[in-house]
Amino acid sequence: SAVISQKPSRDICQRGTSLTIQCQVDSQVTMMFWYRQQPGQSLTLIATANQGSEATYESGFVIDKFPISRPNLTFSTLTVSNMSPEDSSIYLCSGAAGPADTQYFGPGTRLTVL
Amino acid sequence: DAKTTQPPSMDCAEGRAANLPCNHSTISGNEYVYWYRQIHSQGPQYIIHGLKNNETNEMASLIITEDRKSSTLILPHATLRDTAVYYCIVRPSLAGGTSYGKLTFGQGTILTVHP
Repeated sequence: SAVISQKPSRDICQRGTSLTIQCQVDSQVTMMFWYRQQPGQSLTLIATANQGSEATYESGFVIDKFPISRPNLTFSTLTVSNMSPEDSSIYLCSGAAGPADTQYFGPGTRLTVL
Repeated sequence: DAKTTQPPSMDCAEGRAANLPCNHSTISGNEYVYWYRQIHSQGPQYIIHGLKNNETNEMASLIITEDRKSSTLILPHATLRDTAVYYCIVRPSLAGGTSYGKLTFGQGTILTVHP
């Protein structure tokens, strides 16, 4: 398995600002992912964080709004840019490990945009 | 869209077995069945996964029908701490495709364990 930590655990931000969320894994993982969970909803995949190259975004998510970095096999960041209240969500990262590339999730970052 | 169908909610008495069903009638031969749960305000927790055979670990058992079109997650002795949203997800098992590794979450089943 893999143990995932995220920073910050929560934040309250002003409209128009940006926030960078960090995701750290305790061991090397093959893949890392970022998800969003809007209030009362299920998780939606934002993108796959690729090591050393541009992330692969899902439909409806773009790099300008959610730039992602993954400089090595254990660390990734997600930036939520030019925030609006609609960006208020929980943002979760995950890492895939083991023979089946099972995903293990971090605790999430609860973002509130005023 | 999620490829699975789950009941929106279930109740279970503490100490009894909780049997959570999942339909995945369009599953292909090289797709895993995964189960996760999410306790309020926490990240999803991996429970178990299987391909064809039934599986058991320290948390639960997974029973997959012979035709693989449905499965059941069994928590043998439910406790209050098992109250959570349970997600059944199918995902490819073969590396190389664009969907490999990705998880598509549906709405899950809200399991409430009561005293």
